[in-house]
Amino acid sequence: DGGITQSPKYLFRKEGQNVTLSCEQNLNHDAMYWYRQDPGQGLRLIYYSQIVNDFQKGDIAEGYSVSREKKESFPLTVTSAQKNPTAFYLCASKSSGSSYNEQFFGPGTRLTVL
Amino acid sequence: AQSVAQPEDQVNVAEGNPLTVKCTYSVSGNPYLFWYVQYPNRGLQFLLKYITGDNLVKGSYGFEAEFNKSQTSFHLKKPSALVSDSALYFCAVRDLNYGQNFVFGPGTRLSVLP
Repeated sequence: DGGITQSPKYLFRKEGQNVTLSCEQNLNHDAMYWYRQDPGQGLRLIYYSQIVNDFQKGDIAEGYSVSREKKESFPLTVTSAQKNPTAFYLCASKSSGSSYNEQFFGPGTRLTVL
Repeated sequence: AQSVAQPEDQVNVAEGNPLTVKCTYSVSGNPYLFWYVQYPNRGLQFLLKYITGDNLVKGSYGFEAEFNKSQTSFHLKKPSALVSDSALYFCAVRDLNYGQNFVFGPGTRLSVLP
């Protein structure tokens, strides 16, 4: 899983609570991404950031929020507005040095709503 | 818009036999194609990518992929499967005409039987 860490590995949330998932990378990558993985649906993009202090909505941003105050960190908050948050969440990063670069993924956080 | 299809949810192959995991894509410009592997409760690991040049791309763990522009395909192959290859495989495409993001297929589960 390279130089990307995600914490916690497992997270349990009660309905109505906000929770924040951590993503840290030491690869000196400019771009960072958050994906949601559900069985049989592949990966869906939630938010992405190409540079510090800037981020863009992905395909399924509703009910989520992010910040990018440091190059190394891209935390994701799952708010109470997200109606079906139980899923596996993956963070990724990519060097912006070339358009052809692949993404590197963290180990993921499994969120369960009780 | 760009899209990726993986027509098989599941592929079963006997250990020692060749394996193929299929991927087709749709892009408006030149495609940049990637294969990733995911083991249970882990992040995605990069296997290989096609940017330009030779249509046969070699990657990690003995995997290779063949780019076919006329059939818009990028099938993943390995001459001799191992039980340890059993995992979930994702094809992804990036079309620079569409933006900075990757689009992932739904995934194909490979089971290698001893």
